[in-house]
Amino acid sequence: QSVLTQPPSASGTPGQRVTISCSGSSSNIGSNYVYWYQQLPGTAPKLLIYRNNQRPSGVPDRFSGSKSGTSASLAISGLRSEDEADYYCAAWDDSLSGPWVFGGGTKLTVL
Amino acid sequence: EVQLVESGGGLVQPGRSLRLSCAASGFTFDDYAMHWVRQAPGKGLEWVSGISWNSGSIGYADSVKGRFTISRDNAKNSLYLQMNSLRAEDTALYYCAKGGSIPVWGQGTLVTVSS
Repeated sequence: QSVLTQPPSASGTPGQRVTISCSGSSSNIGSNYVYWYQQLPGTAPKLLIYRNNQRPSGVPDRFSGSKSGTSASLAISGLRSEDEADYYCAAWDDSLSGPWVFGGGTKLTVL
Repeated sequence: EVQLVESGGGLVQPGRSLRLSCAASGFTFDDYAMHWVRQAPGKGLEWVSGISWNSGSIGYADSVKGRFTISRDNAKNSLYLQMNSLRAEDTALYYCAKGGSIPVWGQGTLVTVSS
């Protein structure tokens, strides 16, 4: 059971905009930054979003993050086939869960 | 360029030990906390352990507390994870990760615990 809650799956067609939600609590999302990772099959997770809505260099602006209260979301616009991957949210946690807590991951399928 | 390269994984019998290493380059290693995160086959991500820049603060997930020991050698830009009393449920890909506002992860090293 993951500390952060994500939908197990999401889907969209090429060109569409999809969003993935991440729900937490006051000890993690509510009081700390949110991070988003993309994991392509057989590869290590890649940082997509840090500090709620910042993109590392090289990440297309099709990817955007937002946070409100104890929830966060990742939006992907202009969906492409290469966006098909697992997406994880993460946050620092001030409780005994550990400094980093993760969502269970969302499998994005591009139809 | 920031690089983290893990090593030391392999096949080990239940109850035995293994030591993972992570070689860091491309950044000032002793400026940052470092972490180990693992991913069991087909599963999600789990934080395992973390250590502050000067080893003054260390933490473990409940699932490994008392069995795993994290350490670092700032002179060698290296992070370690000593894993004792390994169990089947410790089978996973183990990632080394740099802390800070922009986390960076390595490619991982696979640990398989099986008889």
